[in-house]
Amino acid sequence: AQKVTQAQTEISVVEKEDVTLDCVYETRDTTYYLFWYKQPPSGELVFLIRRNSFDEQNEISGRYSWNFQKSTSSFNFTITASQVVDSAVYFCALSEAEWGGTSYGKLTFGQGTILTVHP
Amino acid sequence: DAMVIQNPRYQVTQFGKPVTLSCSQTLNHNVMYWYQQKSSQAPKLLFHYYDKDFNNEADTPDNFQSRRPNTSFCFLDIRSPGLGDAAMYLCATRGTGNGYTFGSGTRLTVV
Repeated sequence: AQKVTQAQTEISVVEKEDVTLDCVYETRDTTYYLFWYKQPPSGELVFLIRRNSFDEQNEISGRYSWNFQKSTSSFNFTITASQVVDSAVYFCALSEAEWGGTSYGKLTFGQGTILTVHP
Repeated sequence: DAMVIQNPRYQVTQFGKPVTLSCSQTLNHNVMYWYQQKSSQAPKLLFHYYDKDFNNEADTPDNFQSRRPNTSFCFLDIRSPGLGDAAMYLCATRGTGNGYTFGSGTRLTVV
């Protein structure tokens, strides 16, 4: 069975601080996808990144960066120079990559990390 | 723009009164999912469809049912809503490119 664990339930930082959200996953699949989503108070899930299991290259997108380490089954997310608008719940998620079977690539979510950025 | 649309955005229903939430997509994706997200929790999968092939999660209550009359539409029926069914309901699709698209969700209140 797949499992995603986000160690931090809540993080509070002051604007301009860097913050890292941890994500550890478990899967028996050899091919899988990892995701990060942002959920603001309005409730919609905003897609941030997708990473497949055979691409361990780290990625940077503006103030966001992701560190994928297959050896430790971790996919951590860092926000550099945080801003008040970054305040939200962040979810790490995992899906299998293969079609077929009975799961059709359903997403398994971590419990989420509530990030609050204070001015 | 191609997207996943959920209606209504907010739904208030009475305890025990059947309610239907709807989801439509213009992406022509084969797979559609319904997730339930209770306050301060992660989204939890209720069902999913591959075309018309329906898959029910083992722990989805019998009170919840789903219909997919065609590729574009999917419905979530709650036969007798209880107070514990108050939640955000998220519809999502997935295409062969492994990208997921979520709707904006329907926030259900049971009074």
